[in-house]
Amino acid sequence: DGGITQSPKYLFRKEGQNVTLSCEQNLNHDAMYWYRQDPGQGLRLIYYSQIVNDFQKGDIAEGYSVSREKKESFPLTVTSAQKNPTAFYLCASSIGEGRVSTEAFFGQGTRLTVV
Amino acid sequence: GDSVTQMEGPVTLSEEAFLTINCTYTATGYPSLFWYVQYPGEGLQLLLKATKADDKGSNKGFEATYRKETTSFHLEKGSVQVSDSAVYFCALYDYKLSFGAGTTVTVRA
Repeated sequence: DGGITQSPKYLFRKEGQNVTLSCEQNLNHDAMYWYRQDPGQGLRLIYYSQIVNDFQKGDIAEGYSVSREKKESFPLTVTSAQKNPTAFYLCASSIGEGRVSTEAFFGQGTRLTVV
Repeated sequence: GDSVTQMEGPVTLSEEAFLTINCTYTATGYPSLFWYVQYPGEGLQLLLKATKADDKGSNKGFEATYRKETTSFHLEKGSVQVSDSAVYFCALYDYKLSFGAGTTVTVRA
């Protein structure tokens, strides 16, 4: 079955440690996204990538980093510079062609708790 | 930059009531517009979409019309059910996908 997979579902880390969240898709989508979902704040865009080896900062990129070495994979690293990393993180992918896009498919999310 | 502003919630309705969730956008061009829904305990899924002005998206009794003149994409349903209780997100695609803050809707029997 085609889809988008995030792992792990729950993640606990000590303050000051970097942590990497995995996102893999087998939908052959060019575009991939990372969002952060906090209560009452909707989905805020962290980073996005339209093609392999290229990515752009979203609205809240500070303290995060990404890579896009393969079309299928778009891992997100939450660094120690992120001041409030505890949140629910969602990865998505879509076919994007210029200003027109088909629907985005979402993973089930990773809940990161930093203690 | 591009942005989406949607009506704040929470919204609580009785079954069979009329639902409207307002959504307006700011964009430099003519983006694609979407409504996504997140049911309790589930991930986000597409509810409906419109890719150009005057297009009407519809699904599961919900409708939204892409209004370029008012830069709006309001979501409506004529008669809600308890199963429509969810968080609804308005979204815009213009080279990247941006979301509104979400509106929590609770429908009481």
